[in-house]
Amino acid sequence: EAGVVQSPRYKIIEKKQPVAFWCNPISGHNTLYWYRQNLGQGPELLIRYENEEAVDDSQLPKDRFSAERLKGVDSTLKIQPAELGDSAVYLCASSLTGWPAARDTEAFFGQGTRLTVV
Amino acid sequence: GQQLNQSPQSMFIQEGEDVSMNCTSSSIFNTWLWYKQEPGEGPVLLIALYKAGELTSNGRLTAQFGITRKDSFLNISASIPSDVGIYFCAGQFRDDKIIFGKGTRLHILP
Repeated sequence: EAGVVQSPRYKIIEKKQPVAFWCNPISGHNTLYWYRQNLGQGPELLIRYENEEAVDDSQLPKDRFSAERLKGVDSTLKIQPAELGDSAVYLCASSLTGWPAARDTEAFFGQGTRLTVV
Repeated sequence: GQQLNQSPQSMFIQEGEDVSMNCTSSSIFNTWLWYKQEPGEGPVLLIALYKAGELTSNGRLTAQFGITRKDSFLNISASIPSDVGIYFCAGQFRDDKIIFGKGTRLHILP
């Protein structure tokens, strides 16, 4: 079974340019997460979807970041315009929805997109 | 805010030694997760814990879900060179939100 697929793997852009990342979750997983991981840090949640609904976007910098998951499957995360401080690895993860509490709700990650803003 | 305190931050050990790392939080979690990340890759799930007090093994790895639901530990027995990497704990709330610790960097000396 295919895991979480992300593209591109690497992206180098100049500041003030737009950039987009794509994620295809594991088939059947209705929860999708976008995380940002700065160098030497743990992943930090940007946004979480249950199907096509963004249920937690409190950490998403909405002035320049946007995300969508129109059909409740794959998702796109966009930054416009990019700033130097946006350089990081952007990770997508997916899981089965666990509410009410259940097993097998752990998140599986893609390989990430390493963004460098110059 | 919600955060996980993971320790130690890094470890330098000899091959064959046992390793222990842990995470604590002021929050109560439904699930504890342990991941390993290698350079250029996403985190890979090692162990998932669903129940307070649960002790689970995966080969040489053993992890436990603390009784208070606020802590967890991961042990690696008889370390080998391929154990090198960054280990992250993660706590999952009832609403599926997952937060991560800052990681434990494991180095194995030849």
